[in-house]
Amino acid sequence: GAGVSQSPSNKVTEKGKDVELRCDPISGHTALYWYRQSLGQGLEFLIYFQGNSAPDKSGLPSDRFSAERTGGSVSTLTIQRTQQEDSAVYLCASSRGGYRFTYEQYFGPGTRLTVT
Amino acid sequence: KNQVEQSPQSLIILEGKNCTLQCNYTVSPFSNLRWYKQDTGRGPVSLTIMTFSENTKSNGRYTATLDADTKQSSLHITASQLSDSASYICVVSARNTDKLIFGTGTRLQVFP
Repeated sequence: GAGVSQSPSNKVTEKGKDVELRCDPISGHTALYWYRQSLGQGLEFLIYFQGNSAPDKSGLPSDRFSAERTGGSVSTLTIQRTQQEDSAVYLCASSRGGYRFTYEQYFGPGTRLTVT
Repeated sequence: KNQVEQSPQSLIILEGKNCTLQCNYTVSPFSNLRWYKQDTGRGPVSLTIMTFSENTKSNGRYTATLDADTKQSSLHITASQLSDSASYICVVSARNTDKLIFGTGTRLQVFP
């Protein structure tokens, strides 16, 4: 079946603009995750959804970042008033259940965001 | 503070050789530990997932060990291949949180 898909694959935006990143998880996966990976850095956890709920939003770097998930499926990560330090690859992953358990996470190809 | 540290930061080996990557963590209470392989420009791919009660788990030429007492894990790669060149990431989750704690990874390069 289809894997996790993300769009756009690349996004170049000017500083101060808002951007929306989209993630389509694997069908039937209840858990969805957003991560950020800056150049040469490790993965940084942003937010986790179980269904449409995000129990913990403390991983979001600032209040310019928000995420939502609708219908237990598609999720969007919105960055308002983008800054150059927001430039990174944003990765989405999904799994059959939360990662307190041992369900395998499947990652999408990522969206490379460049803020000029 | 929950942390995951990996060593070495980078490693170069010759094709056919074995290598071992290390992961130390201070995450508590421990839930599970995962090893991921991330090729350049791609998303991570899961290699193993280990819970508290598991000491060893294999996936082909990859063997992960876990010592929950000393809070250490290792990933052993046998008979390395050029395609093993990637970053290997150790990730730990705690039972009382919905966050994953990522190590910064070990970058492995396999040369012919």
